Amino acid sequence: KNEVEQSPQNLTAQEGEFITINCSYSVGISALHWLQQHPGGGIVSLFMLSSGKKKHGRLIATINIQEKHSSLHITASHPRDSAVYICAVWVNTDKLIFGTGTRLQVFP
Amino acid sequence: DVKVTQSSRYLVKRTGEKVFLECVQDMDHENMFWYRQDPGLGLRLIYFSYDVKMKEKGDIPEGYSVSREKKERFSLILESASTNQTSMYLCASSASIGVPAGYTFGSGTRLTVV
Repeated sequence: KNEVEQSPQNLTAQEGEFITINCSYSVGISALHWLQQHPGGGIVSLFMLSSGKKKHGRLIATINIQEKHSSLHITASHPRDSAVYICAVWVNTDKLIFGTGTRLQVFP
Repeated sequence: DVKVTQSSRYLVKRTGEKVFLECVQDMDHENMFWYRQDPGLGLRLIYFSYDVKMKEKGDIPEGYSVSREKKERFSLILESASTNQTSMYLCASSASIGVPAGYTFGSGTRLTVV
């Protein structure tokens, strides 16, 4: 069993829909990272958080340390949000464990 | 704009060739990492380096070596390429040691070994 599980693996949506991507982990962590990977490969950091909630534009990330769960929300989704979203957790501050990613496609 | 630059986006090499993947960062970061990414497996750490001339094995170092002669450059070497090393290779760097720190990733090199 992977230490970091994401769901769903694939997600399609219509433009404007509210989107939620989930990340559950089974290890103790010091922080969690949400990353975005566009077609072509480059990965961009979206959020790093260790408690509560962070917001940047239409993106919101939440984390519940007790439940070992994080969610990434996208409000008013747009085709340019189509990408793979990756959850990664910091273990002992120096080891990053990645989930396998959620592929999102937003159609106009 | 800070950057991690990987020298090639796409590479095709023959089985048995020695392959060099280059990564350069312009942020004066101490830490540099090489990952490979395969469908259904996520990113897996091959090697990392905390300082010039230092290297540490990651989770899947077999068949790979690395070189860090200068702080800004971290090279991944496939001594004798094999078809099971066909993958997307991603380089990353980060500033801090001992605390979670944001990573900056390169654009990736898609390597095909035939």
